[in-house]
Order: sequence, then structure tokens, then C-alpha cells
Amino acid sequence: NAGVTQTPKFQVLKTGQSMTLQCAQDMNHEYMSWYRQDPGMGLRLIHYSVGAGITDQGEVPNGYNVSRSTTEDFPLRLLSAAPSQTSVYFCASSRQVNQPQHFGDGTRLSIL
Amino acid sequence: AQSVAQPEDQVNVAEGNPLTVKCTYSVSGNPYLFWYVQYPNRGLQFLLKYITGDNLVKGSYGFEAEFNKSQTSFHLKKPSALVSDSALYFCAVRDGGNNRLAFGKGNQVVVIP
Repeated sequence: NAGVTQTPKFQVLKTGQSMTLQCAQDMNHEYMSWYRQDPGMGLRLIHYSVGAGITDQGEVPNGYNVSRSTTEDFPLRLLSAAPSQTSVYFCASSRQVNQPQHFGDGTRLSIL
Repeated sequence: AQSVAQPEDQVNVAEGNPLTVKCTYSVSGNPYLFWYVQYPNRGLQFLLKYITGDNLVKGSYGFEAEFNKSQTSFHLKKPSALVSDSALYFCAVRDGGNNRLAFGKGNQVVVIP
């Protein structure tokens, strides 16, 4: 049972480049979410999804897109990377929003 | 919108002493409250939650938390801290009226041998 798998674990980008952070879960969870973690800021919600085909914005959605074509996958796209997007990104999933979330081990992203 | 405050950046406690990590919240509806722990270079792990029922909630690794509606607090407690409890602790709240979870800034707990 792999749980929540995030790839890549590390990435360095140049300003203006685009990329997709992958997130997959094998627990048949309906609720999935993306957070960024910055020092002194805690975790901030970027986007979330309550099921396949349904996504919504969180607290800090600007500069990011998501889609949920299957229950298992919830990729996060950076459209045009900026240094302010340097952060650690976590994907999480749960059966529903009231249930405990399972987190991946994160993607550490640096934008130069 | 819901929010969480964790007023202390770091909590230092001697091994064997009681550990308390403070959390206060703000919601417009009924609160759903959670505590998570994060070890270095890892994702968050669930400790316990309050949805409804008893105000004292017991969770993993000997941790418990007390829900206090009048003080809008949900403090995490452990009767006797271990060195292995040293980690970053996050409180989170969901407002019953939406599907978002808001996290606090986190508290670094240092248990001194």
C-alpha cells in the first residue's frame, strides 16, 4: 500500500518555466488537496478536490492550476514559475474532508 | 473564513514532564479540529481529531486534546513527554460550512533529555 506518492522529490526551475507536480493515491480517496509549506507560515491550501471532475481554489491559488480527471491523480501545474513559489509542496488525500488526511513526503521546489 | 492560531513558536519541555501545545481557532459554523505532527523531511501525520461528542479526545502515541467551545481552544497534551516527541506540531480546523482545512503556523516541540 503506497499511500500518497509525490514526484519529483526535488526540482530546480528557472523563472518563467512551467512544470507539473504529480500526486497519486491508491486508497480510493475522494478528497485531495495541495498545500505549500513556508517557514513561519505553516501550511497554506492551494487547491482542493472533493472528487473526480471537481476542483476548487484554496487560500493561495494564484499561479497554480489543477485538474482531477481520475480519483487517483491530482497534478499541480505551475504556469510560469516565480521565485515566490520556492517552497515545499505537499499533496494530501482523505475519504472526505472530515477524515484524517494522508500526506505525501513533499516536493522541494526551488525557483531561480 | 476559518483560521487557527498557535501562539508559541517553540515549546521546550524536559523529558518526563507534561507537554502542552496551544491552539485557538475561529470559525463561523461548527468546528472540526485536528492535530498533526511532522518529523524532518516528511509529510504530516495525523494524531487526533474532534468532530463532536466528548470534549477530551484521545489520539496516537499517548496524545490527547481538550475541546473548549467557550474559549475556542483545542490544546494538545501529553502527560509525560519523550525525546522522540520532538517534532513540529500543527493544529487545523475546518468550518462546517465549507470543504477547506486551515492550518496554523506550527509549533516546534523540543524535549530535553
